[in-house]
Amino acid sequence: AQKVTQAQTEISVVEKEDVTLDCVYETRDTTYYLFWYKQPPSGELVFLIRRNSFDEQNEISGRYSWNFQKSTSSFNFTITASQVVDSAVYFCALRYYNNNDMRFGAGTRLTVKP
Amino acid sequence: DTAVSQTPKYLVTQMGNDKSIKCEQNLGHDTMYWYKQDSKKFLKIMFSYNNKELIINETVPNRFSPKSPDKAHLNLHINSLELGDSAVYFCASSHMTGGNTIYFGEGSWLTVV
Repeated sequence: AQKVTQAQTEISVVEKEDVTLDCVYETRDTTYYLFWYKQPPSGELVFLIRRNSFDEQNEISGRYSWNFQKSTSSFNFTITASQVVDSAVYFCALRYYNNNDMRFGAGTRLTVKP
Repeated sequence: DTAVSQTPKYLVTQMGNDKSIKCEQNLGHDTMYWYKQDSKKFLKIMFSYNNKELIINETVPNRFSPKSPDKAHLNLHINSLELGDSAVYFCASSHMTGGNTIYFGEGSWLTVV
């Protein structure tokens, strides 16, 4: 079965704190892709990152970093020095190589307070 | 330039009406999708078209009918709207295979009263 679990429903932090959003996935395939999307209060879905199952290197993009660990089937997302503009719902998603569908987790609502 | 555009962004309509949401992508993708996001923010695929051919048709009431005139357009028509159809509908597109990134439109907020 193809499943994505984001156990944290809501997280609230104060500006400048670091925060990690967890994502755990289940898959029967060896070739798959993992994604993170951001949905700010304005509602659009913004693509953040795509990783394939053969590349476990961590990635950093500015204040954002992603930790992919196949051993624990996790693809966690860390925001360093959070800002109010980071307040959004964040979705983790899984897609197989030859599958036309993308399965989303339930999302984590992050609130960053000034 | 907007990559995936859908109209209208907001739609308020009465029960029983028929409405359409239009979607266009200028990314050169061969696959387009409709996703539904419910009030709890859960995202679920409804339909997927590849080169105008229906690929995915999830368990969706047959009041929902997608139509793809060409691979750059995928419209969603909804007949006999019900209160439970109130949701945000996202159009999206991607290249079909290779686990490619799916890019989403800005969403259409449908409210049925």
